Amino acid sequence: DGGITQSPKYLFRKEGQNVTLSCEQNLNHDAMYWYRQDPGQGLRLIYYSQIVNDFQKGDIAEGYSVSREKKESFPLTVTSAQKNPTAFYLCASSWADNGYTFGSGTRLTVV
Amino acid sequence: AQRVTQPEKLLSVFKGAPVELKCNYSYSGSPELFWYVQYSRQRLQLLLRHISRESIKGFTADLNKGETSFHLKKPFAQEEDSAMYYCALNIQGAQKLVFGQGTRLTINP
Repeated sequence: DGGITQSPKYLFRKEGQNVTLSCEQNLNHDAMYWYRQDPGQGLRLIYYSQIVNDFQKGDIAEGYSVSREKKESFPLTVTSAQKNPTAFYLCASSWADNGYTFGSGTRLTVV
Repeated sequence: AQRVTQPEKLLSVFKGAPVELKCNYSYSGSPELFWYVQYSRQRLQLLLRHISRESIKGFTADLNKGETSFHLKKPFAQEEDSAMYYCALNIQGAQKLVFGQGTRLTINP
């Protein structure tokens, strides 16, 4: 079953903690993306990667970090520097300009 | 600046009525636009793209470069069309999508 898997589905973070959200794809897509979805604000791009070992900042990269050591994996770390991390996080992948395939998302809550 | 604007956060129409979800864009290059849909408890998925000029689930969208718009239309709404709809612009070269704020469409019986 090809697709994108995000884990965990729900994640709780304490103030001052770093947490890592997992995103894995078996679609052989070159490009991968992380978006943050907030009510009334749509999807905002955090980071994206077009190729292994390379990634670029999106519009709201502050307080986040990523790595792309493997084509299949693009984990996102939400650091303690992110002032308002409570949100729904979506991972996506794409090949050429064929549109995106999205994961099911991770809901992060700061407690 | 590259921007996608969906002016309506919420849109409610009755079953069988026509529906139009508005999308305007700002982009200096040649625009490539998409509509994505998120049904309740499902993943965000591609609905249609302007290059394909296709009709999916009865929806169509025409790119109007003069008005910089890409409105999504359906002549007769169905209850299963209730969902969140996002318009998106592909930034060529950067291979990334810029999304609008989304419109929540509710079809009333």
